[in-house]
Amino acid sequence: GAVVSQHPSRVICKSGTSVKIECRSLDFQATTMFWYRQFPKKSLMLMATSNEGSKATYEQGVEKDKFLINHASLTLSTLTVTSAHPEDSSFYICSARVAYEQYFGPGTRLTVT
Amino acid sequence: AQSVTQLGSHVSVSEGALVLLRCNYSSSVPPYLFWYVQYPNQGLQLLLKYTTGATLVKGINGFEAEFKKSETSFHLTKPSAHMSDAAEYFCAVSLSNTGNQFYFGTGTSLTVIP
Repeated sequence: GAVVSQHPSRVICKSGTSVKIECRSLDFQATTMFWYRQFPKKSLMLMATSNEGSKATYEQGVEKDKFLINHASLTLSTLTVTSAHPEDSSFYICSARVAYEQYFGPGTRLTVT
Repeated sequence: AQSVTQLGSHVSVSEGALVLLRCNYSSSVPPYLFWYVQYPNQGLQLLLKYTTGATLVKGINGFEAEFKKSETSFHLTKPSAHMSDAAEYFCAVSLSNTGNQFYFGTGTSLTVIP
């Protein structure tokens, strides 16, 4: 149980375009999901907390207009990177919270050319 | 302030040798503690966790960790390293007074030498 999926696993997009990443809890409901960004050889950096039915809470320094988060249902949160630039290239990981634990998705590798 | 410190960003051990990855935390409330492993281009896989009760926790792949409150530590060990253990390891703490937000250590890259 407690499986989290992400789609796509890899995506390449051109600079200036937008890309959407989906995070789904497959066998449970999650009122809270988290979005992380991971740079090469680095730890996970929390970007935002996504709450079902309400606005996401962004960490300091994360542009909310650039990284749009929508938590439309208890099993789906989406991260849209708008007007992507090469510096947005990174590994994005989502997680779903159940009580004091988080279950992590497999990650999405975004490359902006 | 809450924080997680992993001493040693890179650890190398010989195959068959003891693995010891260090994790210390700071917290004003009882923590929930986790160790994750990450292979290249993959997500995080839970190795083990401490919530309450027995302070020695056994996880998958032969790993175990001991919660020592007096030392604020949660070091990860494995008696005999295997080549497949080569990966990145992250220690994390979840705190009830911050809505169970996770705080991650900076990670330790484990290399296993044949």
